[in-house]
Amino acid sequence: DAGVIQSPRHEVTEMGQEVTLRCKPISGHDYLFWYRQTMMRGLELLIYFNNNVPIDDSGMPEDRFSAKMPNASFSTLKIQPSEPRDSAVYFCASSQREGVDTQYFGPGTRLTVL
Amino acid sequence: DQQVKQNSPSLSVQEGRISILNCDYTNSMFDYFLWYKKYPAEGPTFLISISSIKDKNEDGRFTVFLNKSAKHLSLHIVPSQPGDSAVYFCSIGTASKLTFGTGTRLQVTL
Repeated sequence: DAGVIQSPRHEVTEMGQEVTLRCKPISGHDYLFWYRQTMMRGLELLIYFNNNVPIDDSGMPEDRFSAKMPNASFSTLKIQPSEPRDSAVYFCASSQREGVDTQYFGPGTRLTVL
Repeated sequence: DQQVKQNSPSLSVQEGRISILNCDYTNSMFDYFLWYKKYPAEGPTFLISISSIKDKNEDGRFTVFLNKSAKHLSLHIVPSQPGDSAVYFCSIGTASKLTFGTGTRLQVTL
């Protein structure tokens, strides 16, 4: 298995632009997680899905952030409009069972908003 | 309000010595405890976990200790090797949600 795949690996955009991050989880994993890593706050859980249904989005910072999972093999995290404070590394992870099972992380997307 | 804290952002240890990484948490209801390791430009990978009913779990050079009364989790690496140089995150929570610490950057020097 190729593991969790994320694209793009790097994204540089200007403030106000829409940004879409993509994730393909490991086949057979029922749970998908989106995290944001910053120096100040470490790894923050933004949202997670179970069988394509959002279960907990309490970590989504504000309405500018949205996430979808249209099918078991694809998820997107969208920021519209983007702001410089959104600059961070965004990770997608998947697992076979609920949160405490081993989560397999993708390589991350480094987002820079100018 | 951070429920999981790693108070040491960095740690430098000589090769062959013991590395001790610490993590404190505030919620006594937390009953799942894990450590993840992260190399640059890669996602975190699972390292070791401990059951809430145990106080120690060992896996090769890695040992995790849990002190529930003190709400304290630690990871011991002995002997430390240069390849252990990475960022280590503790991950603590309940069955439905894990919270990660801010990470400790470990550097193992020759």
